[in-house]
Amino acid sequence: AQSVAQPEDQVNVAEGNPLTVKCTYSVSGNPYLFWYVQYPNRGLQFLLKYITGDNLVKGSYGFEAEFNKSQTSFHLKKPSALVSDSALYFCAVRAPGGSNYQLIWGAGTKLIIKP
Amino acid sequence: NAGVTQTPKFRILKIGQSMTLQCTQDMNHNYMYWYRQDPGMGLKLIYYSVGAGITDKGEVPNGYNVSRSTTEDFPLRLELAAPSQTSVYFCASTDPTSYSYEQYFGPGTRLTVT
Repeated sequence: AQSVAQPEDQVNVAEGNPLTVKCTYSVSGNPYLFWYVQYPNRGLQFLLKYITGDNLVKGSYGFEAEFNKSQTSFHLKKPSALVSDSALYFCAVRAPGGSNYQLIWGAGTKLIIKP
Repeated sequence: NAGVTQTPKFRILKIGQSMTLQCTQDMNHNYMYWYRQDPGMGLKLIYYSVGAGITDKGEVPNGYNVSRSTTEDFPLRLELAAPSQTSVYFCASTDPTSYSYEQYFGPGTRLTVT
């Protein structure tokens, strides 16, 4: 069965420090991987994705993520955290094939950046 | 280009009442989805549609119904509201023909059933 795990409910980082939000997945075949961010009382916003190609993908707001096939991981990173990065972050995966292009979602990680 | 819009933003229902959550997208996307978001649980797919006139159940369809008469609109119907349906509901759409695959989300409807 396809699944996504975000092992940390919450991540606390001091402003200016690097941040990592972890995501691991389980799918058959080559995965399509996504990161979304949700600010309070807002919908989800797309940050970045990995479909194919370079394992390091860059996205919005200075975020990047590294696809690691051997570790089945797709961790979200940023070199220097901002207080405004505080939000809820979701990892999602889609296995290739299928007719509904459904995404399987992680439970979310709350990122808190302290000034 | 408004993207995906949802109404209402908030609603309080009494047990047994019915309501329709509206979702409209102006991106001409064929694929549309309804999710519910419960605290600490991520997103669960309720129903999806691959085009006008075609809908199918997701992971948690019980207690809900949908229709898709046009490409733009994908309303979600709650017939007999129950406290277990207290949640935040999100509508999303995507266009696989663009090979981008990401889903675009509406702002959500926060529903409380008491």
